Amino acid sequence: AQSVTQPDIHITVSEGASLELRCNYSYGATPYLFWYVQSPGQGLQLLLKYFSGDTLVQGIKGFEAEFKRSQSSFNLRKPSVHWSDAAEYFCAVAPNQAGTALIFGKGTTLSVSS
Amino acid sequence: SQTIHQWPATLVQPVGSPLSLECTVEGTSNPNLYWYRQAAGRGLQLLFYSIGIGQISSEVPQNLSASRPQDRQFILSSKKLLLSDSGFYLCAWTRTGLVTEAFFGQGTRLTVV
Repeated sequence: AQSVTQPDIHITVSEGASLELRCNYSYGATPYLFWYVQSPGQGLQLLLKYFSGDTLVQGIKGFEAEFKRSQSSFNLRKPSVHWSDAAEYFCAVAPNQAGTALIFGKGTTLSVSS
Repeated sequence: SQTIHQWPATLVQPVGSPLSLECTVEGTSNPNLYWYRQAAGRGLQLLFYSIGIGQISSEVPQNLSASRPQDRQFILSSKKLLLSDSGFYLCAWTRTGLVTEAFFGQGTRLTVV
């Protein structure tokens, strides 16, 4: 069965420091991968997605993610974190069947210290 | 452009009372629709999904039900709420016939007292 693992439940980063959030997936075929961000009490907003092609994908708000098939990973990065980036981040994989729901990791909460 | 509306934003209901949460999508036709529940530290749990009017699939046995009376309307219901039904409920949609990203509503915070 497909699954997504986000090993870090909570991460604290200093403002201006770099960020990397980890995501590992379990899926037999070529996955469709996503990163979402959720502010408290809000819905999820798509940051970026990977379907095929270039393994380094750029998203909104200065985020990027790299797909590494050999490591079954899709880690999210940002070179310089801003206080407004504090939120919960979810990695997700879409099974290769239209209409099937995305499978989400349990999320990583990012805190930003000044 | 497509938009998704979910209401109410917050709801406090007594145990044993009924529930109706509504979600509508605008700007697209025949979307795939989903209800998720989110509990702290547990990620998103898929409750129901629908690929068409009257077609509902349930992922988790529970005290809730879902209906899709119109193409772009998805309703989450309960006849009698339990304390354990408290949580943050999210509606989402994806484009039909494709593997694509999901678009989420703003969520409903349900507190059962």
